[in-house]
Amino acid sequence: EAGVAQSPRYKIIEKRQSVAFWCNPISGHATLYWYQQILGQGPKLLIQFQNNGVVDDSQLPKDRFSAERLKGVDSTLKIQPAKLEDSAVYLCASSPPRWDTSSDTQYFGPGTRLTVL
Amino acid sequence: GNSVTQMEGPVTLSEEAFLTINCTYTATGYPSLFWYVQYPGEGLQLLLKATKADDKGSNKGFEATYRKETTSFHLEKGSVQVSDSAVYFCALSGYTDKLIFGTGTRLQVFP
Repeated sequence: EAGVAQSPRYKIIEKRQSVAFWCNPISGHATLYWYQQILGQGPKLLIQFQNNGVVDDSQLPKDRFSAERLKGVDSTLKIQPAKLEDSAVYLCASSPPRWDTSSDTQYFGPGTRLTVL
Repeated sequence: GNSVTQMEGPVTLSEEAFLTINCTYTATGYPSLFWYVQYPGEGLQLLLKATKADDKGSNKGFEATYRKETTSFHLEKGSVQVSDSAVYFCALSGYTDKLIFGTGTRLQVFP
């Protein structure tokens, strides 16, 4: 079974530029998550999708961050404009449907390391 | 709100030593508890989990018991190996399935 795919793996941009990250979850996983992991901290949830609907985006800085999952499969996360404090690893995760006994387990992609100069 | 506190690292051990990484939580209701591990250059992966009080999760020689009375989920291993060197994250999830992570504990095992 293929894992969660993310691209790019690394990105360096200057502040005020825009950037987009892509995620393809495990096939059949309805729930998709984006986390931000700042160096030395644990991951923090930015947004959670159930199919193509948003379940939780309470910690997404909506003035600069946006995310979509149009067809309920892959997803993009965008930052525009970027700030220095956005430097972090952006992790995508997915989880099996509710009827699956492992529905509480999230499977993570390798992450995208963003550096904002 | 819900939160997780875990011991700061790095934890440095010799091979075959006993490992304990402490984790305590604050939560309303009955969360599920997890340990995730991040090996160098790799993504986060589930190590073990427990979904209710007194459950013991185990995997690869690691164990953790869900203690409701002390709100703890300490990670233990009887004999660590160099290959166990990684960052370990304690986490909880409530009814929304959102994971709330601790800050992570780096484990370094030397031969």
